[in-house]
Amino acid sequence: KAGVTQTPRYLIKTRGQQVTLSCSPISGHRSVSWYQQTPGQGLQFLFEYFSETQRNKGNFPGRFSGRQFSNSRSEMNVSTLELGDSALYLCASSGRTGTTGELFFGEGSRLTVL
Amino acid sequence: GENVEQHPSTLSVQEGDSAVIKCTYSDSASNYFPWYKQELGKRPQLIIDIRSNVGEKKDQRIAVTLNKTAKHFSLHITETQPEDSAVYFCAAPPSGGSYIPTFGRGTSLIVHP
Repeated sequence: KAGVTQTPRYLIKTRGQQVTLSCSPISGHRSVSWYQQTPGQGLQFLFEYFSETQRNKGNFPGRFSGRQFSNSRSEMNVSTLELGDSALYLCASSGRTGTTGELFFGEGSRLTVL
Repeated sequence: GENVEQHPSTLSVQEGDSAVIKCTYSDSASNYFPWYKQELGKRPQLIIDIRSNVGEKKDQRIAVTLNKTAKHFSLHITETQPEDSAVYFCAAPPSGGSYIPTFGRGTSLIVHP
């Protein structure tokens, strides 16, 4: 079974630009969640999608958005990039519909904003 | 929402020593407490989890203990090895209708050979 796949793995943008990141979950998993990881800040939750619906959203500005397609693949978009958006963006999929269960993470997309 | 505090943020031990990482949480009605390990440059992966109907769970050199009354749970690693060096994250159950656990800020464990 293929794991969670994220693309691109690395990207460099400049302030003011926008970026789209993609996440393909494990086959059969319907829940996809996104996290921002920066040194010392742990895993900051961005949002979670289930069956194309956003179920939960973290405390990030509206410049951060996402969506999920009918095949469960998900994208997140960050508009008007700021230097502080430089981070590793991780997505995770889960096969459980309830409140417990293992999260399977992708290897992440490392974004550098210059 | 849930508030998870994880300590220490950095832990340095000699190979063969034991390491303990502790997390406290504020409130939850759920019963699932996982621990994730993230090696340098790699993805976080689940290493052990515990449900509230047990107080301790072991898997070879790692164990997790849970005290629901005091609202804390701990990861114990015995006979540490250099390959145990990584960042460890605890997670507490979601609350308030959320389906996503809240993660601690992570503990960077360094095992010196």
